[in-house]
Amino acid sequence: AQTVTQSQPEMSVQEAETVTLSCTYDTSESDYYLFWYKQPPSRQMILVIRQEAYKQQNATENRFSVNFQKAAKSFSLKISDSQLGDAAMYFCALLSGNTPLVFGKGTRLSVIA
Amino acid sequence: EAGVAQSPRYKIIEKRQSVAFWCNPISGHATLYWYQQILGQGPKLLIQFQNNGVVDDSQLPKDRFSAERLKGVDSTLKIQPAKLEDSAVYLCASSLEKGTGYTYNSPLHFGNGTRLTVT
Repeated sequence: AQTVTQSQPEMSVQEAETVTLSCTYDTSESDYYLFWYKQPPSRQMILVIRQEAYKQQNATENRFSVNFQKAAKSFSLKISDSQLGDAAMYFCALLSGNTPLVFGKGTRLSVIA
Repeated sequence: EAGVAQSPRYKIIEKRQSVAFWCNPISGHATLYWYQQILGQGPKLLIQFQNNGVVDDSQLPKDRFSAERLKGVDSTLKIQPAKLEDSAVYLCASSLEKGTGYTYNSPLHFGNGTRLTVT
């Protein structure tokens, strides 16, 4: 079975600082994909960044980057230069085989001005 | 492009009543998903359509939940009768992908969801 674990229910960061959100996963598939989604109070899930498991290079999208450790099955999200608009729930998600996208329980990020 | 539209935004019903949610995906998106998001958890897939056919409904409680996408465009999700544990946000999503679950190159686009409270 595919599982995703986010061990930090809540995190906070000062504006302009850097924060890292943790995610670990488990799958028996060799070919899979990992995602981070952001869910603001509007409830709409927004794709932040995605990573192909076969790629060793960590994905980056502007201020967002990941640290993908395949052997450890770890996929953390780093947000640099945090902004007030980054405050939201963040979900890590796994897509493998023919199973539906599996989400973790989320981390609530607060940004302090 | 217009996003995924969902209605209503909020719904409050008593247990044993019925309720329906509506979703209009992004134009041209073949695949439509309904997710249930219970407070404090990540979304869980209830059902996936490709055009008007069901691809995956393995986690849909079929004794009380039903969904349809008759013309391969918009979709309705119904609960009858509702239970207290059905209180959740119901998210609709769509993607261009015509495959069966491979959404890497065709990311999911989510609507704003319907928050259901069952009292």
